[in-house]
Amino acid sequence: EAGVAQSPRYKIIEKRQSVAFWCNPISGHATLYWYQQILGQGPKLLIQFQNNGVVDDSQLPKDRFSAERLKGVDSTLKIQPAKLEDSAVYLCASTSSLWTGGIGELFFGEGSRLTVL
Amino acid sequence: RKEVEQDPGPFNVPEGATVAFNCTYSNSASQSFFWYRQDCRKEPKLLMSVYSSGNEDGRFTAQLNRASQYISLLIRDSKLSDSATYLCGGDSSYKLIFGSGTRLLVRP
Repeated sequence: EAGVAQSPRYKIIEKRQSVAFWCNPISGHATLYWYQQILGQGPKLLIQFQNNGVVDDSQLPKDRFSAERLKGVDSTLKIQPAKLEDSAVYLCASTSSLWTGGIGELFFGEGSRLTVL
Repeated sequence: RKEVEQDPGPFNVPEGATVAFNCTYSNSASQSFFWYRQDCRKEPKLLMSVYSSGNEDGRFTAQLNRASQYISLLIRDSKLSDSATYLCGGDSSYKLIFGSGTRLLVRP
């Protein structure tokens, strides 16, 4: 079974430029998450999708970050304009298991490493 | 207060040692808890799930204490290959919230 696919693996941009990351979750996984992981820290949730709808984007800096999952399959995360503090690894994860009061295993992609100069 | 808190370490232990990590959570409604392992520059991968009082898998044991709102991970007979960062996670409204991770270094 194919895992979560992400691209690009690495991206270097200058501040104020824009960047987009793509994620294709495991086939059949309705729930998709984007996390930001800054060096030395744990993953921080940015946004959660259920099919093509946003469930939670309370931690997404909406003045510069946007995300979509138009057809309920793959997803794109965009940053415009980028700041130095956006340098991080952007992890996409998916799961098929949600139930009342709980969730199942999240499967992560390899991540997209962003460096903002 | 962070939803999930961990001691960042690092824990530096010799091979064969037993080491324990603790993780505290603030959301008393959380039902699902996880320990993920993350190697340097890699993505997190599930180590253990904890839905009730505990779980054991070989050298690894996870315990959940709902009264005190903490989860522990015990690693027995540490191997060099256990060196990694261990992320604790708890669910919150169908989202998985992670702690900052605990770094483990196992030395020869």
